[in-house]
Amino acid sequence: EVQLLESGGGLVQPGGSLRLSCADSGFTFSNYGMTWVRQAPGKGLEWVSAISNSGGSTYYADSVKGRFTISRDNSKRTLYLQLDSLRVEDTAVYYCAKATGWPPIRSYFDNWGQGTLLTVSS
Amino acid sequence: EIVLTQSPGTLSLSPGESATLSCRASRSVSNTYLAWYQQKLGLSPRLLIYGASSRATGIPDRFSGSGSGTDFTLTISRLEPEDFAVYYCQQYGNSPITFGQGTRLEIK
Repeated sequence: EVQLLESGGGLVQPGGSLRLSCADSGFTFSNYGMTWVRQAPGKGLEWVSAISNSGGSTYYADSVKGRFTISRDNSKRTLYLQLDSLRVEDTAVYYCAKATGWPPIRSYFDNWGQGTLLTVSS
Repeated sequence: EIVLTQSPGTLSLSPGESATLSCRASRSVSNTYLAWYQQKLGLSPRLLIYGASSRATGIPDRFSGSGSGTDFTLTISRLEPEDFAVYYCQQYGNSPITFGQGTRLEIK
């Protein structure tokens, strides 16, 4: 059974930084692209970023481009999202999810983590 | 980007009834790359349908998807108590990936 476990969320001041992690178990991590999707409190889903299975290709939503960096360490079976220059509107639950297709920007997501909450507030 | 508009915003039905949820795209979705997810309160989304009409692994056959171009439908027949949740459509045929705003299916 595929399991994805996010961590790293918390309370950060505007302008601050944080790194989220997503650890995999249960599938061949290095074979699949991965993605981050966020959900602001009481709101819908918003795609944030995606990365190819090798890490060689990355993709970002315009709302986070230049501020967030997606990466992965296949030897550790872990996905990361570095969040810099954080804004109040970045407050959300951040989910990692496994992409099913290639490229991961042309994919639906068949397994999701439980999410980690980021709150950006002064 | 493609904007997905879901309707209705809230649907009130009773167990045993059928639900029809709509997802309309602002322009044609390439290759019918349209997925549906179910999200229950406090939980992560669960994939139901991909490719507009293919059921994901383990999804009961009372869930069905249809449509192409700009108009897509998720139909849930014989509603069970566990089906009451929020449903989202997602297009992945055009960059960037976008989601609809969701339809809340509530017990009448």
